[in-house]
Amino acid sequence: QQKVQQSPESLIVPEGGMASLNCTSSDRNVDYFWWYRQHSGKSPKMLMSIFSNGEKEEGRFTVHLNKASLHTSLHIRDSQPSDSALYLCAASTSGSWQLIFGSGTQLTVMP
Amino acid sequence: DTTVKQNPRYKLARVGKPVNLICSQTMNHDTMYWYQKKPNQAPKLLLFYYDKILNREADTFEKFQSSRPNNSFCSLYIGSAGLEYSAMYLCASSRRGAETLYFGSGTRLTVL
Repeated sequence: QQKVQQSPESLIVPEGGMASLNCTSSDRNVDYFWWYRQHSGKSPKMLMSIFSNGEKEEGRFTVHLNKASLHTSLHIRDSQPSDSALYLCAASTSGSWQLIFGSGTQLTVMP
Repeated sequence: DTTVKQNPRYKLARVGKPVNLICSQTMNHDTMYWYQKKPNQAPKLLLFYYDKILNREADTFEKFQSSRPNNSFCSLYIGSAGLEYSAMYLCASSRRGAETLYFGSGTRLTVL
C-alpha cells in the first residue's frame, strides 16, 4: 500500500489561476514533507520543504502542513504556463535516509 | 545544468541479459540513491549508499546490485533483465540522509 497519496492525479488551471495540490501520508512516523517539480523530459527538482505545522510561502508558492493529519498542500497563485509539470510529494522520518514519494499530480496551466 | 549525470539516457536490453547503469555526481555528496519510476506510479526507492554502506530495499534485494567505487560514482546492475524492469531509473544524491535530493535526468530502460 502506497504510503504517500497525492490528489488530484491531474489538474488543469487557467493562466493566472490558483492551483491546489494535496498530499497525505499514512505513516504516522513521518516528520518531513517535500515537494518536487519535474518538467517534461527533465529531472525532478526540489521546490519546497516543510517540517513544522503551519504555512511557508516562497513567491507564488505556499505550502501548508498539518502534522496531526499528516497532510500537506501546495498552492500556486497566479499560475503560469511554465508551472506546467509533474509535482511529486515526498515524506521522510527523522533520522531516515529514505524519501518516499507519491505518484504525483500532473499540472497543466492553460494560456 | 544538473550536476548529477546519468548514462546512458536510453538503454535497450534483451530479456535475460545483464544491464549496467551509471551515475556520477560532482557535489561530494555522501549519499547516492537509485529510484525506479514507471508511468503513473510513484518513484520507488531501490537502494542507496551512505558513504560506502549499501542499503537495499527488502522487496528488491535480490533483483538489483550496486557498486560505489568512489564518492562520485554509483552504478546499478541488473543481472538478468525481465520485461518488468522496463522503467525510468533515476539516480539522486544528497549531502546527508533525507536532505534535498538532487536528481539526474534518468535512464529510460526498455527490455525486449
